[in-house]
Amino acid sequence: QSALTQPASVSGSPGQSITISCTGTSSDVGSYNLVSWYQQHPGKAPKLMIYEGSKRPSGVSNRFSGSKSGNTASLTISGLQAEDEADYYCCAYAGSSTFIFGGGTKVTVL
Amino acid sequence: QVHLVQSGAEVRKPGASVRVSCKASGYTFTGYYLHWVRQAPGQGLEWMGWINPTSGGTNYAQKFQGRVTMTRDTSISTAYMELSRLTSDDTAVYYCARQGTLESFDYWGQGTLVAVSS
Repeated sequence: QSALTQPASVSGSPGQSITISCTGTSSDVGSYNLVSWYQQHPGKAPKLMIYEGSKRPSGVSNRFSGSKSGNTASLTISGLQAEDEADYYCCAYAGSSTFIFGGGTKVTVL
Repeated sequence: QVHLVQSGAEVRKPGASVRVSCKASGYTFTGYYLHWVRQAPGQGLEWMGWINPTSGGTNYAQKFQGRVTMTRDTSISTAYMELSRLTSDDTAVYYCARQGTLESFDYWGQGTLVAVSS
């Protein structure tokens, strides 16, 4: 089972909005509304940012939003800030109680 | 508050096995599945499998079947992940993560570096 496809890098200036895509198949992203997104700063553990495709855990800024269309999920960061510079990973439920991660996207704030 | 505290870094030779522990606190250990995720140096996250702390039931990613064993000790709220027949490709940081709301991982351990080298 191959990893979900994410762009290797995305960049934006402070205040701008960026979108990270996460493309899977009809067996994972396309079949369930169970995509989650994680932020990881260097040397740190991942942090949950979005679950069930578009829901934010308590304490996560509303500048982060998620959506899905077909086999592709997306994470949008609006009002980009320096602290948003990190790696971002999507994760999808793939059926049979298994999960699959994306390859990760490095977000750079210019 | 929820905490997952993992055991310290390990160094192993090729062909050996390693066991990593994950001690949970701040919540009912048997109320949530625990997953294991690894990250090779400079690489992405890779899901390995989960354990149901209540029943001890497990489900492993196909890639690791036959080589990974996940167990738990409910008396001390601790989960374990043992990986055998190690190769250099298994050098990675191994994380435990709690499965919270519907198929997402809401709390993570600090990670355990496992280095495999002759």
